[in-house]
Amino acid sequence: AQSVTQLGSHVSVSEGALVLLRCNYSSSVPPYLFWYVQYPNQGLQLLLKYTSAATLVKGINGFEAEFKKSETSFHLTKPSAHMSDAAEYFCAVMKAAGNKLTFGGGTRVLVKP
Amino acid sequence: GAGVSQTPSNKVTEKGKYVELRCDPISGHTALYWYRQSLGQGPEFLIYFQGTGAADDSGLPNDRFFAVRPEGSVSTLKIQRTERGDSAVYLCASSPGQGVVETQYFGPGTRLLVL
Repeated sequence: AQSVTQLGSHVSVSEGALVLLRCNYSSSVPPYLFWYVQYPNQGLQLLLKYTSAATLVKGINGFEAEFKKSETSFHLTKPSAHMSDAAEYFCAVMKAAGNKLTFGGGTRVLVKP
Repeated sequence: GAGVSQTPSNKVTEKGKYVELRCDPISGHTALYWYRQSLGQGPEFLIYFQGTGAADDSGLPNDRFFAVRPEGSVSTLKIQRTERGDSAVYLCASSPGQGVVETQYFGPGTRLLVL
């Protein structure tokens, strides 16, 4: 069975500082990987996805993530945090032959002025 | 265009009652998914429809949970004899249903509280 681990349920960053959210997956076969963001009282919105093309994936709002097979990781970064980045972020995997997403527990980001 | 919509946005019910949660997917999307998100956790898969049929219902926790999609568009998640542990946000998502790794577009969810 696949699983996703997000290290740190809460992350606090200063405005303008680097945002780094960690995601590790367990899978016998490299899966497809996703990052979603959830703003309060809104639905999940896709930030980016890895589909076995380029290992560095660029998404919306200045976020990017790098797939590292040797580390089974797909960490999310943004060079400079903005107040509007305060939200909850979820890493998810989809196995190659499936359609369902398996989500991590989420990381809530607080941005300090 | 219109996104995925879910009704009601909030539902309060008593233990033992029956509830129905509705999902309207994006027009033309043949794939539809239900997830459940408990407080402080990530969403958990419940069921996936391709058209009218349930292609994968492996996430339904027990036989009190049932979902239908009779015309391949709107879906209803039905919960019988609700229990306090069913309290969660129920999320619906849809995707075009024609690709390999499709983006799933999520609705805002229905927050269910079982008293």
